[in-house]
Amino acid sequence: AQSVTQLGSHVSVSEGALVLLRCNYSSSVPPYLFWYVQYPNQGLQLLLKYTTGATLVKGINGFEAEFKKSETSFHLTKPSAHMSDAAEYFCAVSDRDSGNTPLVFGKGTRLSVIA
Amino acid sequence: DARVTQTPRHKVTEMGQEVTMRCQPILGHNTVFWYRQTMMQGLELLAYFRNRAPLDDSGMPKDRFSAEMPDATLATLKIQPSEPRDSAVYFCASGFFERGEQYFGPGTRLTVT
Repeated sequence: AQSVTQLGSHVSVSEGALVLLRCNYSSSVPPYLFWYVQYPNQGLQLLLKYTTGATLVKGINGFEAEFKKSETSFHLTKPSAHMSDAAEYFCAVSDRDSGNTPLVFGKGTRLSVIA
Repeated sequence: DARVTQTPRHKVTEMGQEVTMRCQPILGHNTVFWYRQTMMQGLELLAYFRNRAPLDDSGMPKDRFSAEMPDATLATLKIQPSEPRDSAVYFCASGFFERGEQYFGPGTRLTVT
């Protein structure tokens, strides 16, 4: 079964600093990969996704993620953190061969941005 | 801007009462999911439907939870009887089965006293 590991349940960065949130998946076959963001008292919002093609994927709010098959990773980055980026971030995978099977979510990483 | 809608947004009820949560998926999406989120367990998949047919409900306590899609524009999740341990935020999500991504509603925050 697929699994997703997000390193660090809480990451704290200074405003303007690089944001790096780590995600590793377990599948031997590259799955579909997603990053979601959840602001307090809201639902999950799709940040970006990787299905095929270019391994560097750009999403909303200046975030991007790079699929690295050799490392089974899909880390999320943003060059310069903003206070509004403070939220919970979830990495998720879906079995490529099974289409839109339920996403397997990581446990989430809470991002704090310090002024 | 198409969105998944959920009602009610908040529900407070007493133990033993029936709770019904409703979800309107994005028009045209053929897959609907129900999730539960708690601090302790994180996000848990309860059930999902493809073209209104249930594909998997193994995540639900069968004796008290039920999920249905009466039509393509409405999905329901019922708890009867409710228990304090059911207190959580319940999310509905919809998507196209073939594409992978899911779009989440704002959630129903359920408190059972």
